[in-house]
Amino acid sequence: EAGVAQSPRYKIIEKRQSVAFWCNPISGHATLYWYQQILGQGPKLLIQFQNNGVVDDSQLPKDRFSAERLKGVDSTLKIQPAKLEDSAVYLCASSLERISYEQYFGPGTRLTVT
Amino acid sequence: AQSVTQPDIHITVSEGASLELRCNYSYGATPYLFWYVQSPGQGLQLLLKYFSGDTLVQGIKGFEAEFKRSQSSFNLRKPSVHWSDAAEYFCAFKAGNNRKLIWGLGTSLAVNP
Repeated sequence: EAGVAQSPRYKIIEKRQSVAFWCNPISGHATLYWYQQILGQGPKLLIQFQNNGVVDDSQLPKDRFSAERLKGVDSTLKIQPAKLEDSAVYLCASSLERISYEQYFGPGTRLTVT
Repeated sequence: AQSVTQPDIHITVSEGASLELRCNYSYGATPYLFWYVQSPGQGLQLLLKYFSGDTLVQGIKGFEAEFKRSQSSFNLRKPSVHWSDAAEYFCAFKAGNNRKLIWGLGTSLAVNP
């Protein structure tokens, strides 16, 4: 079974530029999560999708971050414009059910904003 | 407030030595508890989980954890550490109907040869 795929693995941009990350969850997993992990901290949930609908985006900075999952499969997370404090690893995870307790994580995208 | 505390930021052990990583949670009832491992440059991998029943749970890679309700703890153990166990370890819990996982700050494990 293929795992959660993410791209790119690394990205370096200047502040005020825009960036997009892509995630393809495990086949059949209805729930998809985007996390932000700042160095030295645990993951912070940004947004959770159930199929193509948003379940929780309470911690998503909506003035600059956006995410979509149009067909209920893969998803993109965008930052526009980026700030220095957005430097982090962005993790995508998926789970089989909406309240599944087991989340499967992708390798992450390491973003550096200069 | 709901929170997870991992008191040890960094631990160094010798290969072959035993390991215990501490995790304490703050919640009014018994949460669903997890340990994840993150190797350098990798995503998070679930080591083990506790929902109910036997308080000693076995996980992958030879790890086990024991839930102690009286101490609000869920410590991770391994009898003999391998060099490949060097990684970041995160304790997390899901409280009731809350969909979010609440994460600790992690413990970084280094293994000396």
